[in-house]
Amino acid sequence: QKEVEQNSGPLSVPEGAIASLNCTYSDRGSQSFFWYRQYSGKSPELIMSIYSNGDKEDGRFTAQLNKASQYVSLLIRDSQPSDSATYLCAVNKEGKLIFGQGTELSVKP
Amino acid sequence: GAVVSQHPSWVICKSGTSVKIECRSLDFQATTMFWYRQFPKQSLMLMATSNEGSKATYEQGVEKDKFLINHASLTLSTLTVTSAHPEDSSFYICSASLGGAGNSPLHFGNGTRLTVT
Repeated sequence: QKEVEQNSGPLSVPEGAIASLNCTYSDRGSQSFFWYRQYSGKSPELIMSIYSNGDKEDGRFTAQLNKASQYVSLLIRDSQPSDSATYLCAVNKEGKLIFGQGTELSVKP
Repeated sequence: GAVVSQHPSWVICKSGTSVKIECRSLDFQATTMFWYRQFPKQSLMLMATSNEGSKATYEQGVEKDKFLINHASLTLSTLTVTSAHPEDSSFYICSASLGGAGNSPLHFGNGTRLTVT
């Protein structure tokens, strides 16, 4: 079992729709969770961090965490073509960030 | 804040030569930096944790004698790929966090694309 798992996609949504990205992790002791966006050929950029169960909203982005289910998700509302990128879920394990394989999102105009 | 600068952004070298990549934290001091590698269509794989003033900690399967890491100051870590081979061609990315090695998010440099011919 991979430490951090994501569907590789591609996930295709029409412009204006909600994109839902999911991530599961294996280490029950993990306390910090992050979503990064990576455009092709570029390094990752931080979108959101979440540390407590529940929802955390920032603009069009909402991160959801369920530690009991070892599940993290990212919702992108009103998706725009500029949101097309690979979204990486990262989990802090023993002071190191472990990344999932990423989900490729394509927002069609 | 939390700007990480990486240089060079790309490099092409011949097989058997060595390449040095620099990573600087521009507006904060980083006692710990992390080096990742990313092959095409794959995720980021942690190579090593760079600790200021002490030896780096390498992940399993990463050759410490091939990937030399030096963290001589609180704002600079370097990764030297020694005797590079075509299979070392990859995207190398350094990172650091304001909170050190803990629950703070990582901020990444722009990455270095290494091509070994």
